[in-house]
Amino acid sequence: GAVVSQHPSRVICKSGTSVKIECRSLDFQATTMFWYRQFPKQSLMLMATSNEGSKATYEQGVEKDKFLINHASLTLSTLTVTSAHPEDSSFYICSAGGDRGKGNQPQHFGDGTRLSIL
Amino acid sequence: DAKTTQPNSMESNEEEPVHLPCNHSTISGTDYIHWYRQLPSQGPEYVIHGLTSNVNNRMASLAIAEDRKSSTLILHRATLRDAAVYYCIRGPEKLVFGKGTKLTVNP
Repeated sequence: GAVVSQHPSRVICKSGTSVKIECRSLDFQATTMFWYRQFPKQSLMLMATSNEGSKATYEQGVEKDKFLINHASLTLSTLTVTSAHPEDSSFYICSAGGDRGKGNQPQHFGDGTRLSIL
Repeated sequence: DAKTTQPNSMESNEEEPVHLPCNHSTISGTDYIHWYRQLPSQGPEYVIHGLTSNVNNRMASLAIAEDRKSSTLILHRATLRDAAVYYCIRGPEKLVFGKGTKLTVNP
C-alpha cells in the first residue's frame, strides 16, 4: 500500500538550532501534504497544508516564519523549525494522500518525528 | 473544532466485536466520514472511510446512519493489536482530529 516516509524519527538538539524534517511519499505523487504537531496525551493539531509549487497554508495561530514549509516536488515536503526552543519540543507528523478537493482519498501518515529541544 | 463527538474511552475483550460510535450531527452533504487509529508514538493509520453507504474492508466495517448524523466503526473480532486511539473525522480534505476514543482490549 501507499507509504509515507518521515525523517528523522528523533532529533535532540540545543535551543536556537534550526531543525529540518522531511516527508516523502514513496509510491505516489502528492500535490498536497499536511503537517501536524502532537503534544503528550493530546490529539494531533493541524499546523499547515503544504502545496506543491506554491506557498503553504497555515492554520490560525501557527507562525509561518517559525515553521517553514517547502514542497518542492510531488514527493517531498519539508518542515523546518527555525531557532527551536524547548516549547517547540513535540511529536511532528506529516501526511499525504489524494489531491486537493478529493475527499474520498485516505491520508497516509508518516511515523512521526520526536523533537526534543534542550 | 473537530465537529465530531466520540466517547473518551471504551473497553473490550479479545476476540469479541467492538462498536465504536461517532456523532457528526452537523455533517454536510459532501463530507466523508474517516476513521483513523493511532498507537503510542506512531503516526495515525487509516482504517476506513465512507460517504453514505456502509463500507467493509479487511480491517473493519463502517456503518453510517441513514441521516448521516452518526456512524459506527465495527471491529469484528478485537485483538490486542487493536488497542489504540480511534479518531472519527469528517471532512472533504484536511483532517481535523478530535480527542478520539481510547480502546482498551483485555486478554
